Amino acid sequence: AQSVTQLGSHVSVSEGALVLLRCNYSSSVPPYLFWYVQYPNQGLQLLLKYTSAATLVKGINGFEAEFKKSETSFHLTKPSAHMSDAAEYFCAVSPPNRDDKIIFGKGTRLHILP
Amino acid sequence: EAGVTQFPSHSVIEKGQTVTLRCDPISGHDNLYWYRRVMGKEIKFLLHFVKESKQDESGMPNNRFLAERTGGTYSTLKVQPAELEDSGVYFCASSPFPGAGVFNTGELFFGEGSRLTVL
Repeated sequence: AQSVTQLGSHVSVSEGALVLLRCNYSSSVPPYLFWYVQYPNQGLQLLLKYTSAATLVKGINGFEAEFKKSETSFHLTKPSAHMSDAAEYFCAVSPPNRDDKIIFGKGTRLHILP
Repeated sequence: EAGVTQFPSHSVIEKGQTVTLRCDPISGHDNLYWYRRVMGKEIKFLLHFVKESKQDESGMPNNRFLAERTGGTYSTLKVQPAELEDSGVYFCASSPFPGAGVFNTGELFFGEGSRLTVL
């Protein structure tokens, strides 16, 4: 069975500082991995996805994530936080090449300090 | 193009009452998913429709929950009778292809969610 663990339900960073949101997965086969973001009063939207191509994946709004098989991790980063990045971020996993559901983590709420 | 829409955005009911949540997927999306998030927990899968058929309903918590998708367009999720532990945000998502298979790399298009509060 697949699962996702997000370390830290709340993360606070200063505006302009590095953003690092951690995600570790458990899967018997190399999975597909996703980061979704939910801004206040909006639905979830896809930020970026890893689907077995390049291990460093770039997404929208300057975010990127690196797939590290040896560490079973898919951490999300952004070099310089902006106030508009305040949102909740969800890491998710799905087995590749199968018509299966996507499994989400518990989410990490990112707070940006002025 | 309209996105996934859900109604109502917020519902407050008493224990034992009935609530029906509605989801209108993006036009042409055969795949429709219901997810639920209880406060502070992960977003949990409830079920998956392909057109009007239930492809996977392994996440439905119990028989108080009934999902339908007549005609393969919009879907409803009825909770009857509601219990306190049913409180949470119910998300609907749609996709042109199922899961993260060969023809789809997993992007789901989500609605804003329906927040259910059971008192």
